[in-house]
Amino acid sequence: DTGVSQNPRHKITKRGQNVTFRCDPISEHNRLYWYRQTLGQGPEFLTYFQNEAQLEKSRLLSDRFSAERPKGSFSTLEIQRTEQGDSAMYLCASTDRAYEQYFGPGTRLTVT
Amino acid sequence: AQTVTQSQPEMSVQEAETVTLSCTYDTSESDYYLFWYKQPPSRQMILVIRQEAYKQQNATENRFSVNFQKAAKSFSLKISDSQLGDAAMYFCAYRPPKGNSGYALNFGKGTSLLVTP
Repeated sequence: DTGVSQNPRHKITKRGQNVTFRCDPISEHNRLYWYRQTLGQGPEFLTYFQNEAQLEKSRLLSDRFSAERPKGSFSTLEIQRTEQGDSAMYLCASTDRAYEQYFGPGTRLTVT
Repeated sequence: AQTVTQSQPEMSVQEAETVTLSCTYDTSESDYYLFWYKQPPSRQMILVIRQEAYKQQNATENRFSVNFQKAAKSFSLKISDSQLGDAAMYFCAYRPPKGNSGYALNFGKGTSLLVTP
């Protein structure tokens, strides 16, 4: 394992459906971050985990969003009742140190 | 909240020439990190260079260097001897001292760099 992986890479769903994304961080990285990137914008912080504990959630993360990191390994991000405004690239990053984050390739979500 | 501003939506440079991408940021902190990330068309973010705010010396990584002006809150990226593979979106990012978001990065909107032969 040489990097952060995310699955699926692309997801097309109909409005109102639930979707789940997975992120596998670099082994032994204890911090994991989720960001959302919309077209023409830089990534925006959603939430982060230290080991299995979710320590902060952005105001961007509405009640329809939930994230987990069981056992401090991989993480999942679920969006319930998707809306067209949820269409974006969802990026995951991990780090074992405070100052260098390694990003995955992202999951591109399209809500029709 | 900290803000990061990249005032150049697009830049163009000829192969082998030098280009400078601008970034300014707003913070009341004195100890922080700044980064430049590259996002090629495949969309995976790659760290280009980082700067610790307590270091006066500008960071350099091969053809990439920064001009860090702490008082002016400016952090520009210079790419020398530009190559076709440098074409990408470049994001400036600020990392605060540990706060509620645990070192999460604040990104600018990005600068799209086009490299012409």
